Amino acid sequence: GIQVEQSPPDLILQEGANSTLRCNFSDSVNNLQWFHQNPWGQLINLFYIPSGTKQNGRLSATTVATERYSLLYISSSQTTDSGVYFCAGQVYGGSQGNLIFGKGTKLSVKP
Amino acid sequence: GAGVSQTPSNKVTEKGKYVELRCDPISGHTALYWYRQSLGQGPEFLIYFQGTGAADDSGLPNDRFFAVRPEGSVSTLKIQRTERGDSAVYLCASSLGAAPETQYFGPGTRLLVL
Repeated sequence: GIQVEQSPPDLILQEGANSTLRCNFSDSVNNLQWFHQNPWGQLINLFYIPSGTKQNGRLSATTVATERYSLLYISSSQTTDSGVYFCAGQVYGGSQGNLIFGKGTKLSVKP
Repeated sequence: GAGVSQTPSNKVTEKGKYVELRCDPISGHTALYWYRQSLGQGPEFLIYFQGTGAADDSGLPNDRFFAVRPEGSVSTLKIQRTERGDSAVYLCASSLGAAPETQYFGPGTRLLVL
């Protein structure tokens, strides 16, 4: 079936710590994207990463499409990193506009 | 520049009523998407427009839900005979070109059906 699974579901960090969030996706999903939803509900696109590695400041992401997983790295975490991180993919053979989201990883960064 | 905007930000209605939710995409974006997010869940796809036409409406849960984008810009999601289970945050996103493309999300409309 079509699956996007994220781990861990919850994560608590002390400010300054590093973390890795994981997303596993089924064969029928491609074109991975990572989003951050802040505590006010706004969803921000972090990375469009169907394969390979991208970096943006303290954040980086790697997708290994052949092994059906993607990782989001957060370094030197800050309290403003708190919120829910979602990965999402598109369905093979679908319209490409149909994003399937995981259930998210809820991150809390403590000062 | 201006991002995706959605109105109203909150809507409270009674079971059985009709509601309309509006989305203004980023200027120049040809693709527009509607999602629904329930508490503690990821967004769930509803419908995707490319220009004025619905390229994919496979996520609409039933025939009470309908969406239009008559001029290829603003879109309206319409829900008839609302039910308590329709309560959720309705998110709109837009992208510059046809999917797959980076999607930019609006702040959402929080719908509560009493």
